[in-house]
Amino acid sequence: EAGVAQSPRYKIIEKRQSVAFWCNPISGHATLYWYQQILGQGPKLLIQFQNNGVVDDSQLPKDRFSAERLKGVDSTLKIQPAKLEDSAVYLCASSLRDTHSYNEQFFGPGTRLTVL
Amino acid sequence: DAKTTQPPSMDCAEGRAANLPCNHSTISGNEYVYWYRQIHSQGPQYIIHGLKNNETNEMASLIITEDRKSSTLILPHATLRDTAVYYCIVRVKAGNTGKLIFGQGTTLQVKP
Repeated sequence: EAGVAQSPRYKIIEKRQSVAFWCNPISGHATLYWYQQILGQGPKLLIQFQNNGVVDDSQLPKDRFSAERLKGVDSTLKIQPAKLEDSAVYLCASSLRDTHSYNEQFFGPGTRLTVL
Repeated sequence: DAKTTQPPSMDCAEGRAANLPCNHSTISGNEYVYWYRQIHSQGPQYIIHGLKNNETNEMASLIITEDRKSSTLILPHATLRDTAVYYCIVRVKAGNTGKLIFGQGTTLQVKP
């Protein structure tokens, strides 16, 4: 079974530039998550989709970050304009089910963003 | 904020059991304890989860105290490939689902 795919794996940009990340979840997984992981910290949830609807985006800095999942499959996360503090690994995850009692999330390898 | 407290680092000898403790004294009655691990330069990987009973799968065992204020993840025979950051997470209920709030985890170093 193919895992969660992300691209690019690495990206270096200058501050105030724009950047986009792409994620393709495991086939059939209805729930998709984007996390931000700053060096030395655990991942922080930015946004959660159920099919193509947003379930939780309370931690997404909406003045500069946006995400979409138009057909309920793959997703893009965009930062515009980027700041130095956005340097982090951006992880995408998906899950088949997301109920109160069970939620196994499968993570992709992440995109490492460096903002200069 | 994360609802768990873990030691920042631990060592374990290869082939021995690794016992990773976690405190979650403010856990609510319907909140689950999840464990994930993250090997260097990879995304986190699910290990196990539980509510109140002890759980075991092919990767590990989870022992939850009767008062549910703490738990221990046990890797029965640690190998060098088990070197990773281990996250203990109390999954916060959100509507009909929940949210994983990661802390800083425990870095487990398995030594030959």
